[in-house]
Amino acid sequence: DGGITQSPKYLFRKEGQNVTLSCEQNLNHDAMYWYRQDPGQGLRLIYYSQIVNDFQKGDIAEGYSVSREKKESFPLTVTSAQKNPTAFYLCASTSRGGNTEAFFGQGTRLTVV
Amino acid sequence: AQSVTQLGSHVSVSEGALVLLRCNYSSSVPPYLFWYVQYPNQGLQLLLKYTTGATLVKGINGFEAEFKKSETSFHLTKPSAHMSDAAEYFCAVSDLRTGGYQKVTFGIGTKLQVIP
Repeated sequence: DGGITQSPKYLFRKEGQNVTLSCEQNLNHDAMYWYRQDPGQGLRLIYYSQIVNDFQKGDIAEGYSVSREKKESFPLTVTSAQKNPTAFYLCASTSRGGNTEAFFGQGTRLTVV
Repeated sequence: AQSVTQLGSHVSVSEGALVLLRCNYSSSVPPYLFWYVQYPNQGLQLLLKYTTGATLVKGINGFEAEFKKSETSFHLTKPSAHMSDAAEYFCAVSDLRTGGYQKVTFGIGTKLQVIP
C-alpha cells in the first residue's frame, strides 16, 4: 500500500545533540513538507520541497535543516540551535495541484532529556 | 495571505447529539478547503474536501461540510455523534502557488469530546 513512513515514532535528544527524523513516501508525490505540532498551536510549516534537490523555508525554519536527494525521501535534522525542540513532528506529501489533499505520516514525538 | 479560524478549541457533545465544528477562512483566491481528523499520537487523515462544484461535501464516517462563500465558512457537521468521533479536527485552506506548490494553512484544531 502507498503511504508515508516516519521513523522513529519516539525520539529522545540530549541537550546539544543533532537528531535526524526520517520521512519516506512511495506515493510518487513531488512535494513534501515538515510540520511541527504543539498543543493549541495547530500545525506550523518548517520546510517544504517541491522537487528533488530543492527546498524552501517555511514559517519556523530556524534550528532545522533538510535535504531532498531522492524524490521518496525528505529527512529533517533538528540541530542544537533549536532551543525548544520538544514537539510532535509530522511529514506530509502532495501531488501537484492545489485541490489535492495532503497525506501524512504517523508522526515522530521528539523529547529533550 | 490566507488564514483559518476555528472557533472553539474544545467542543463537548453527548453521544447521539449533533456535532458542529466551526471554520472560517480568508483567502485572496478561490480556496480549496479541507477537514482532517487526528487521533492521539497519529498523523492526520482526510475527512473531506471542497474544490469546486457542489457546495455540500460529504466525507467519511458520516461527516459533511458546506462551503458558504458569502460567509467565508466551511463548518463541519455530523447528525449523531459516536464515541469513536472523539479526536482533534483541523480545518485547512490551500491555494496553488507557482510551480505547483500548495500553500496549506491549518487552523489550530478543535478537540471533540463525546460524552456517553
